[in-house]
Amino acid sequence: EAGVTQFPSHSVIEKGQTVTLRCDPISGHDNLYWYRRVMGKEIKFLLHFVKESKQDESGMPNNRFLAERTGGTYSTLKVQPAELEDSGVYFCASSRGQNYGYTFGSGTRLTVV
Amino acid sequence: QQQVKQSPQSLIVQKGGISIINCAYENTAFDYFPWYQQFPGKGPALLIAIRPDVSEKKEGRFTISFNKSAKQFSLHIMDSQPGDSATYFCAPQDTGRRALTFGSGTRLQVQP
Repeated sequence: EAGVTQFPSHSVIEKGQTVTLRCDPISGHDNLYWYRRVMGKEIKFLLHFVKESKQDESGMPNNRFLAERTGGTYSTLKVQPAELEDSGVYFCASSRGQNYGYTFGSGTRLTVV
Repeated sequence: QQQVKQSPQSLIVQKGGISIINCAYENTAFDYFPWYQQFPGKGPALLIAIRPDVSEKKEGRFTISFNKSAKQFSLHIMDSQPGDSATYFCAPQDTGRRALTFGSGTRLQVQP
């Protein structure tokens, strides 16, 4: 079984630019989650998809962040425009409907300069 | 408001020793209590988890102890090995919401 795939693994962009992160969950996993860890802070929940629907987006920090999950498969997280405080590691995870265990991807390290 | 407090921040243990990491929480809605293990450059991976109807769960060298009244749970690693060197996170969950609430992490180093 292939794991959760995220790309790019690293991204360095200038303040004000746009960046799009992608996550491919494990095939058959309807639940997809985005988390992030900014420097010196805990890993924080951003949002949760069930198939293509946003189930919980209470963790999204502001309207510069837009998440989509086309057709209930892969997901993208767009940051537009990026700010310095958006730097950190963005993790994606997926799980089956009744399985409380998550499988995380290796993350995308975003650096905004 | 910090909902989950994890300690210690870092831990150095000799090979063969016992590693103990603690997690205290405030949210009484949490009903699933996992520990995640993370190696450098990788995402967190589920290590072991417990539900509140039991006070202890053991899987190999890893044991979770759970104290519902104190709102605390801990991870014990017996016979610690250098390969256990990693960052450990408690991440209790309100399964009604499904989001995990992570502790700040404990960096464990097991010296050979």
